Amino acid sequence: EAAVTQSPRNKVTVTGGNVTLSCRQTNSHNYMYWYRQDTGHGLRLIHYSYGAGNLQIGDVPDGYKATRTTQEDFFLLLELASPSQTSLYFCASSGKYEQYFGPGTRLTVL
Amino acid sequence: AQKVTQTQTSISVMEKTTVTMDCVYETRDSSYFLFWYKQTASGEIVFLIRQDSYKKENATEGHYSLNFQKPKSSIGLIITATQIEDSAVYFCAMRVTGNTGKLIFGLGTTLQVQP
Repeated sequence: EAAVTQSPRNKVTVTGGNVTLSCRQTNSHNYMYWYRQDTGHGLRLIHYSYGAGNLQIGDVPDGYKATRTTQEDFFLLLELASPSQTSLYFCASSGKYEQYFGPGTRLTVL
Repeated sequence: AQKVTQTQTSISVMEKTTVTMDCVYETRDSSYFLFWYKQTASGEIVFLIRQDSYKKENATEGHYSLNFQKPKSSIGLIITATQIEDSAVYFCAMRVTGNTGKLIFGLGTTLQVQP
């Protein structure tokens, strides 16, 4: 079974702050994804990657950067956090078919 | 454009009964993959079951099964002998055209199983 971990699990920052969310998968999957989940909007794709050094833009990329340093590690960067980025963030990885999700990071921007 | 729609916002059932959650999708692809996920109260998102469009047989996994009606672009999730711990939000998803592995999700159906 896929193993996807995220850190931190909870984060509070202030407007304009710098935040990095980390994700690691140990299933040798090529694809990794970052989503945000908000009430009324469901899961929305921010960025994704199909391998180390690769980055693809998702559906709601504004205000976010991402970097895939290794096959296992995918980072989401918020360089100037805004209150609109308060959300629950999920990382996922996939091989050929289904995606497997991490436990989520709850981010609050004050 | 591809789209996934779950029209049931919430469902409440009695324990040990069977429940069906609806999902309809739109795609122009001749071959596609459909998924159901469960999000528990703790926020964890768990993959439940997959249906490959080229397979006529409905997928089953434990007490989860699918009602795949391709002509209606419908993929219902059936949970038999429901348990209290089945209370969760259930998401239907479809794999996007191409080789990205991207999924389109519905907005989810909240299931409450009553004792």
